[in-house]
Amino acid sequence: DVVMTQSPLSLSVTLGQSASISCRSSQSLLYSDGNTYLSWFQQRPGQSPRRLIHRVSNRDSGVPDRFSGSGSGTAFTLRISRVEADDVGVYFCMQGAHWPPWTFGQGTKVEIK
Amino acid sequence: EVQLVESGGGLVQPGGSLRLSCAASGFPFGAIWMSWVRQAPGRGLEWVANIKEDGSVIWYVDSVKGRFTISRDNARNSLYLQMNSLRAEDTAVYYCAADDWGPGLHWGQGTLVTVSS
Repeated sequence: DVVMTQSPLSLSVTLGQSASISCRSSQSLLYSDGNTYLSWFQQRPGQSPRRLIHRVSNRDSGVPDRFSGSGSGTAFTLRISRVEADDVGVYFCMQGAHWPPWTFGQGTKVEIK
Repeated sequence: EVQLVESGGGLVQPGGSLRLSCAASGFPFGAIWMSWVRQAPGRGLEWVANIKEDGSVIWYVDSVKGRFTISRDNARNSLYLQMNSLRAEDTAVYYCAADDWGPGLHWGQGTLVTVSS
């Protein structure tokens, strides 16, 4: 199974500043069709997860452009620019290149300083 | 508006059974793979099972093989998870999710399953 490792596991950010979350996979997520299947999810307190980014860097509908994804192979980053209070929650990465199983990172908790 | 509404969770004794349901609307249910994903209290996300659009392909995480059965009824826009031989470690919120190369395109609000004596 592909192991997804996130860092840090907890992040305290000042409003208006930027935050970066790293996600590393134990195998390359480049699939034979040329796509890299790495997604990012946000889970606000008491809510269901919501997908923010798919295929490394593609924002889902309605996701602010303050959220951006980058990376390739086994190393990926979610960047949140100009952090707002609404961004508090846990962020997960997930791989969709080697399945089953589809596997998630442990999650990174983002709070406001 | 996309909606996924789970039901059927509750308290069950170890070794017992539960059947979860998920009612879908607002998207072409019959044209999308569907998943169940669970989250133990205070823990991360774990993909449990998924099923192809026509039900012809099904995958399970190793820990539930032989105990859980995923199914769907496209005429009713519904997804199901039959859970047998439940264990304490199956305690979690179970989410129904629409897939896009893995779970997560759309999510339900979740239903809590508690396995305890």
